[in-house]
Amino acid sequence: KAGVTQTPRYLIKTRGQQVTLSCSPISGHRSVSWYQQTPGQGLQFLFEYFSETQRNKGNFPGRFSGRQFSNSRSEMNVSTLELGDSALYLCASRLYRSPGMETQYFGPGTRLLVL
Amino acid sequence: AQTVTQSQPEMSVQEAETVTLSCTYDTSESDYYLFWYKQPPSRQMILVIRQEAYKQQNATENRFSVNFQKAAKSFSLKISDSQLGDAAMYFCAYRIGLYSGGGADGLTFGKGTHLIIQP
Repeated sequence: KAGVTQTPRYLIKTRGQQVTLSCSPISGHRSVSWYQQTPGQGLQFLFEYFSETQRNKGNFPGRFSGRQFSNSRSEMNVSTLELGDSALYLCASRLYRSPGMETQYFGPGTRLLVL
Repeated sequence: AQTVTQSQPEMSVQEAETVTLSCTYDTSESDYYLFWYKQPPSRQMILVIRQEAYKQQNATENRFSVNFQKAAKSFSLKISDSQLGDAAMYFCAYRIGLYSGGGADGLTFGKGTHLIIQP
C-alpha cells in the first residue's frame, strides 16, 4: 500500500505570495492532519480534516487554511507569505476517528522557502 | 494545555549498545496515546512505537521498547543493540484520546533528541 504523498517536495516563494501544498493520504485513510516544522518552534499542529470538514485547528493565523476533498486528498494554503513561514510542512493521515486508530502516518514533507 | 518534554537534546551511543531516551509529559486527561517517531536526515517521520495510556503493559517492537510510568508521566524509549541506521532525531508525541474529548486533536511533540551512533 502506498504511503502518504506530498507535492511539491520543494518550493521557493517570495514574501506576499501565496502557496498551495497538496497531500494524498494512505488509501482508505479518511483523516488528514498538517504540521509545520521549524528549527525554532519544532513541530506544531496546524489542522486536521475528516470527511471534508476541518475538525480542529492549532494556534496559527488565518493566513493558513486548508480543505479536504471527497477522495480524502487535502490541500493547505498559505496566503501573504512571510519569511517566518519558511518551514517543512508535514502531512499525516490516519484511518478514522476511533479509539485504537490514533496512529498517524507521515508523508515526506514539503520544504517551503520564503525569500 | 498538554506539554511534552525531552530533556536530552543529543545522545551518543556505541554501535550494539543500549540507549534510553527520556520523555515526560503533562496532562490531566486519562485517555491518551503516546508515540515515539524517528526522523532521519531524509526528514520522513517514521512511527517507532506507540502506547495506549489504558494499557499497563509496556509496548515493544523488536529492538525498541518503552518504559511507561503513568503516575510519573514518563515515557522513555529503550533501543537495544543500536545500529547505524538508528541514527536520527527522535520525537516523543502525545495525543488526547477520544474518550477524553479528543479525536481531532493533533499530536503534541517534544523538541526531539538527536541520537548519534558511534561505529
